[in-house]
Amino acid sequence: EAQVTQNPRYLITVTGKKLTVTCSQNMNHEYMSWYRQDPGLGLRQIYYSMNVEVTDKGDVPEGYKVSRKEKRNFPLILESPSPNQTSLYFCASSPKPNLQYFGPGTRLLVL
Amino acid sequence: QKEVEQDPGPLSVPEGAIVSLNCTYSNSAFQYFMWYRQYSRKGPELLMYTYSSGNKEDGRFTAQVDKSSKYISLFIRDSQPSDSATYLCASSNQAGTALIFGKGTTLSVSS
Repeated sequence: EAQVTQNPRYLITVTGKKLTVTCSQNMNHEYMSWYRQDPGLGLRQIYYSMNVEVTDKGDVPEGYKVSRKEKRNFPLILESPSPNQTSLYFCASSPKPNLQYFGPGTRLLVL
Repeated sequence: QKEVEQDPGPLSVPEGAIVSLNCTYSNSAFQYFMWYRQYSRKGPELLMYTYSSGNKEDGRFTAQVDKSSKYISLFIRDSQPSDSATYLCASSNQAGTALIFGKGTTLSVSS
């Protein structure tokens, strides 16, 4: 089944404790991206990647890192999480940037 | 000014009604226009996709783009309770590297 998977789906952590949210797609898509979704603010792009080893900032990249070492994986790294990074995170992939297919989401709570 | 504006609703209609969902955008460089549907606790799923101006129909759904007025619409005919969800419009430029979402309209269809 063609899909985007994210792990973990739910995460509670404390301020400053580094964490990684994994994203994997099995559709051989070149384009992948990360979004956060917050009430009243909608979906906002954090980072995107046009291909392996090619990443760029979206609208809200502060406090996040990404890497794209292989085509199928695009992990999101929070080096020192803060409470304002509590959010619902979505990974997406697509054969071309506009037609993005979203994962199921990761709900993160930073205490 | 946010580049894509969308009335958050909520919008409540009876089963069988015709639903009209609308967005406006401000960036003349936008060429791609998408509608996503998001059920509660799920990731957004791509519903309709239009390039430049014009109409596109898929079953009960019709997407319409008027570039002269920078207006994006989604029409749902014969609405069903299963259409109850949040609908997100999105726009991007030719490269598709910056996908900007509206905040979403919550639709409830009652049987």
